[in-house]
Amino acid sequence: AQSVTQPDIHITVSEGASLELRCNYSYGATPYLFWYVQSPGQGLQLLLKYFSGDTLVQGIKGFEAEFKRSQSSFNLRKPSVHWSDAAEYFCAVGGRLNDYKLSFGAGTTVTVRA
Amino acid sequence: GAVVSQHPSRVICKSGTSVKIECRSLDFQATTMFWYRQFPKQSLMLMATSNEGSKATYEQGVEKDKFLINHASLTLSTLTVTSAHPEDSSFYICSARGLAGSTDTQYFGPGTRLTVL
Repeated sequence: AQSVTQPDIHITVSEGASLELRCNYSYGATPYLFWYVQSPGQGLQLLLKYFSGDTLVQGIKGFEAEFKRSQSSFNLRKPSVHWSDAAEYFCAVGGRLNDYKLSFGAGTTVTVRA
Repeated sequence: GAVVSQHPSRVICKSGTSVKIECRSLDFQATTMFWYRQFPKQSLMLMATSNEGSKATYEQGVEKDKFLINHASLTLSTLTVTSAHPEDSSFYICSARGLAGSTDTQYFGPGTRLTVL
């Protein structure tokens, strides 16, 4: 079975500060990992993905994530957040084992204070 | 590239009626489309997987006779909520996976807010 855990339900960060969102996954083979962002009432936008290769992946909007197999983690980071980064963030795992169906974490709500 | 649209964005209907939601991949051919349901402040729950030209595969606990899915072409899938009840009120999101540079990535539509009175 595949699953994702996002331990932090809600994170508040000051504008300009760094942000790290945690994601732990369970998957029976090499996972495909994704981070998506969702603004209120909107669909999901892909921030970045990891399939193979370099374990540090760069995404859009200045985000990056690092795949750590030994820790079954895929944490998302941004060095300096902007007010527009306030949103809901979802980590997802999928792959060939389950015909590329995605399992999502519960999400982390990010609030940015001025 | 990899744009997915949904129509309508919002719909309000009376209990007992049926509602159809369309999901289109605008600039790529989607070999597979997925339908999700999202309750407020919760994550996405996969309802079904739709492959062009074949029957949809439903996740456990999802009533296939209530949530009818048709994937008639490589760019269009529809979800029909039949005999809608207030408990069907939710945010429905589709995604498409296809030939847009990577067959392993799902691109999501903007979602449809369904309210059943």
